[in-house]
Parts: sequence; C-alpha cells; structure tokens
Amino acid sequence: QKEVEQDPGPLSVPEGAIVSLNCTYSNSAFQYFMWYRQYSRKGPELLMYTYSSGNKEDGRFTAQVDKSSKYISLFIRDSQPSDSATYLCAMSRSKAAGNKLTFGGGTRVLVKP
Amino acid sequence: ETGVTQSPTHLIKTRGQQVTLRCSSQSGHNTVSWYQQALGQGPQFIFQYYREEENGRGNFPPRFSGLQFPNYSSELNVNALELDDSALYLCASSSGPNSGQGSGTQYFGPGTRLLVL
Repeated sequence: QKEVEQDPGPLSVPEGAIVSLNCTYSNSAFQYFMWYRQYSRKGPELLMYTYSSGNKEDGRFTAQVDKSSKYISLFIRDSQPSDSATYLCAMSRSKAAGNKLTFGGGTRVLVKP
Repeated sequence: ETGVTQSPTHLIKTRGQQVTLRCSSQSGHNTVSWYQQALGQGPQFIFQYYREEENGRGNFPPRFSGLQFPNYSSELNVNALELDDSALYLCASSSGPNSGQGSGTQYFGPGTRLLVL
C-alpha cells in the first residue's frame, strides 16, 4: 500500500464549477502538506502549503487538512479552462532541510469551456 | 529572482550508458532535492543535498549519485542506465532550516526528460 493515495481521475468539470480533490495518507508522522499543479511536460508548481489541521484559503483555492482522519483536500472555486492540469498532493515530516516530499500519484483535471 | 533551471531539457541515451543532469537552484536557496517522475505517476524522492553534503536518500540504487557545488547548483549522475530509468527528472530547491516561514518548501524546475533505449 502506498503511503499517499490519490485518485488518478480524470476529473472532468464544466467551467465555473468547484473542483474537489483529495488525498489520504497512512503515516501519522506527516506534518506538512502541499498541493502542486503540474501542466503537461512541465515541473510541479506550488499552490498551497499548510501545517495544521483546518482550512487555508488563497484566492480561488482552499486547502483542508484533517490529521485525525489522515485526509487532505483542495477545492478550486470558479474553475477555468486554464486550471486543466494534474494536481499532486505532497507531504513531509519536517520543514527542515532534510525533509523529503512524499507525493500522491496525481489527479488529472479537465475544465471544459 | 531567478527560478530553478535544469539542463538539458531532453536527453536520449542507450542502455548501459551514463548520464549527468544539471540543476541551478533558486536565488537564496542552499538545498537541492532530486526526484524521478515516471509517466503517469507522482515524483519519487531520489536524494537531497544541503551545503554540499548528501542529506537524505530515497530507495534508489547507488548507481544514482549526486553532487552539490559551492554555488548550490547540483548534478545528478546515473550510471549503467536501464530502460526503467526513462522518466522526467525534477530538481527542487529550498531554503535551509530557520530561515523563516515556509522554509523547506520546495520549488521545482521544469525537469529533464530522459529516454533510455
């Protein structure tokens, strides 16, 4: 079983809809949680970075962390065709220099005009 | 502020050959991590360099090795290439500990796409 599970999709939504993405994890040592967006043939781009359980909002993006359930989510409001990409969740045990990121497999999202 | 850059962008090698990939970290960052991303999968951690020393390694064989230079740029070397080494190789840079909120957050370069035939 993988440490971080993520539905591969694809997730297809109409423009303007809310995109809902999530990851589950098994290792309770994970303390830091990130969401990256990756366009085809590009490197991952950091979207959100959270530490504690709860919600964090940044523009159209909201990240949720529930450490008790080992479950994290990302919501994208008012989705645009430019949001079509693969979304990767990532986690680490520490923010120190020795942290390694453990990624989910990514969810492919398609926002249709 | 200059972002993370990687070279080359694409590379084709044959099985058994050796390859060197290069990464320049983002300005102000002293830590470089390397990841391998196979097609359709999430990135897998290879190793990390902090102040020119290896500082953590994932589940990759010794034929994957690296270097970090005094200017914090880095190289990934892979010997005896195998077909399964075909992947996107990503470099990520971050600032060290105690350098402020979000230190340790990793910023990725565009990657080097390696094809082994």
